[in-house]
Amino acid sequence: AQSVAQPEDQVNVAEGNPLTVKCTYSVSGNPYLFWYVQYPNRGLQFLLKYITGDNLVKGSYGFEAEFNKSQTSFHLKKPSALVSDSALYFCAVRDTGGSYIPTFGRGTSLIVHP
Amino acid sequence: KAGVTQTPRYLIKTRGQQVTLSCSPISGHRSVSWYQQTPGQGLQFLFEYFSETQRNKGNFPGRFSGRQFSNSRSEMNVSTLELGDSALYLCASSFASGASYEQYFGPGTRLTVT
Repeated sequence: AQSVAQPEDQVNVAEGNPLTVKCTYSVSGNPYLFWYVQYPNRGLQFLLKYITGDNLVKGSYGFEAEFNKSQTSFHLKKPSALVSDSALYFCAVRDTGGSYIPTFGRGTSLIVHP
Repeated sequence: KAGVTQTPRYLIKTRGQQVTLSCSPISGHRSVSWYQQTPGQGLQFLFEYFSETQRNKGNFPGRFSGRQFSNSRSEMNVSTLELGDSALYLCASSFASGASYEQYFGPGTRLTVT
């Protein structure tokens, strides 16, 4: 069975500092990995995805993520955090060797302090 | 291009009643998925429809059902409501069905069962 772990319920960072939101996964086949962001009282918004190719993926709003197959990780990063980045972030995986049903992590609350 | 729309946005029902939620996908998107989001269980996949056919189904009881129309609009029905069905129900559309496609989420329907 596939699974996703976001080990931190909350990440705190000062504005202007780099941020990292962690995600690890487990699948039987090859993973397709996604990051989504959810603002209060809103649905999820797609940020970026890894399907194949370059391990460093760039997405919306200056976010990027690095796929690491050996560590089964797909951490979300941004060089300089903004207060407006404060939101709930979800990592998701779809297993190419399975039913394609997406599994989402529990979410990480990112708080960027002014 | 208009985003995913869901109606109604808020709903209050009594235990034992049934409810129907509606979702209109982004124009040109043919896949619609439904999710249940709760603080305790996080984001859980209900089912996916593509070309009016259910493609995948999550681990929910038969009280939860859905359908998709020829214009890709989708409805989700929950019969015999239970208190535990109180949640945010999210609809997501994608261009097609498959593991590599990112999903675009609507704002959700907040269902409260009393």
